[in-house]
Amino acid sequence: EADIYQTPRYLVIGTGKKITLECSQTMGHDKMYWYQQDPGMELHLIHYSYGVNSTEKGDLSSESTVSRIRTEHFPLTLESARPSHTSQYLCASSELGTSGIVGYEQYFGPGTRLTVT
Amino acid sequence: KNQVEQSPQSLIILEGKNCTLQCNYTVSPFSNLRWYKQDTGRGPVSLTIMTFSENTKSNGRYTATLDADTKQSSLHITASQLSDSASYICVVSDRGSTLGRLYFGRGTQLTVWP
Repeated sequence: EADIYQTPRYLVIGTGKKITLECSQTMGHDKMYWYQQDPGMELHLIHYSYGVNSTEKGDLSSESTVSRIRTEHFPLTLESARPSHTSQYLCASSELGTSGIVGYEQYFGPGTRLTVT
Repeated sequence: KNQVEQSPQSLIILEGKNCTLQCNYTVSPFSNLRWYKQDTGRGPVSLTIMTFSENTKSNGRYTATLDADTKQSSLHITASQLSDSASYICVVSDRGSTLGRLYFGRGTQLTVWP
């Protein structure tokens, strides 16, 4: 069982509210990721980080933002939630491979199911 | 375009039976291929990971195969159990960037009936 945690597990919130999805890992991994997944669809990378103070946008455009102030913590924030943000958000982490080439396993958290009404 | 296609989209089998799930990919350059199991409402959990030089890998009742020439992989589950009911996701990594980009399939939803 991977030591990566996400809170809350489920969140129902009204349009316009600001929300932060928490993700923490205790494995000391340098790389962390946020994915978005709709039912029956593939995971899409929305943010990733190589380490502290490093954040990059992924392949899928997202209105969310992330921060990486501590190695173990990678929160995702939506300043103003909309119904289009309704989805499952998965956090993952992995070791940083040598020479920057990633081949190591990604460990996923249990996910946050977000519903914006 | 780098893609990962899985078939079938869904599958129902009886407990104790075997099944095989398929994955075709067009990702290039290829680094490795992974199979994940995702229970409903949970994050994916790794089953196997194979590099270019490996053509088969087992993890208990799960056996994955890889044909890098035809860009095909399969996941064989033997003696299925009710707990095998889940989505099985094929993921291919390229080595074209320092990120080691992952390409996800949409998964095969497996249901095991008693």
